[in-house]
Amino acid sequence: LAKTTQPISMDSYEGQEVNITCSHNNIATNDYITWYQQFPSQGPRFIIQGYKTKVTNEVASLFIPADRKSSTLSLPRVSLSDTAVYYCLVGDRDSGNTPLVFGKGTRLSVIA
Amino acid sequence: NAGVMQNPRHLVRRRGQEARLRCSPMKGHSHVYWYRQLPEEGLKFMVYLQKENIIDESGMPKERFSAEFPKEGPSILRIQQVVRGDSAAYFCASSTTTATNEKLFFGSGTQLSVL
Repeated sequence: LAKTTQPISMDSYEGQEVNITCSHNNIATNDYITWYQQFPSQGPRFIIQGYKTKVTNEVASLFIPADRKSSTLSLPRVSLSDTAVYYCLVGDRDSGNTPLVFGKGTRLSVIA
Repeated sequence: NAGVMQNPRHLVRRRGQEARLRCSPMKGHSHVYWYRQLPEEGLKFMVYLQKENIIDESGMPKERFSAEFPKEGPSILRIQQVVRGDSAAYFCASSTTTATNEKLFFGSGTQLSVL
């Protein structure tokens, strides 16, 4: 049973804003939402994490509606170097289940 | 402050041989996780360890695979009698705690190729 659902792939031109939405209908009260970025032949890298409303850092913004059943990662003005796979994860370690389950992610291709 | 170190970066084994993958967590981190990734696939959780203890091995095959995180030294993922299907990238990650808001720091992985 998948914990998160996100698009398989997305394309964008350089300079555009990219929004990747993730569905997590069964999110639990203690769960946080975390996004990772992975380049080819490298391990994933933490991007941003949030619990509710909006979180912003130097890399991205994360929008979480009140019901927390989805979240949107927003990348402002993407460049070619943002081409990567983006994973949405929902943390459930307190429940004793497998920590940080990764799905297949969203493959973002940025085009010049 | 060195990140998570994995070695070797690439490992080639013939069928039937043993593969040993090493992972040194970030300084101060006592929790280690191993993930496996096939080409074009997401990461699949294998095992979660704390110092000298296996906390969750639900994602690790019951046969041929084992993992340890001794009191001293790196965490080791051992695959005995490797088969072609074991060819994959193996990533290690570490964290300081298991709180739900804890983020993982990943190494660059070990690419295992079984001939």
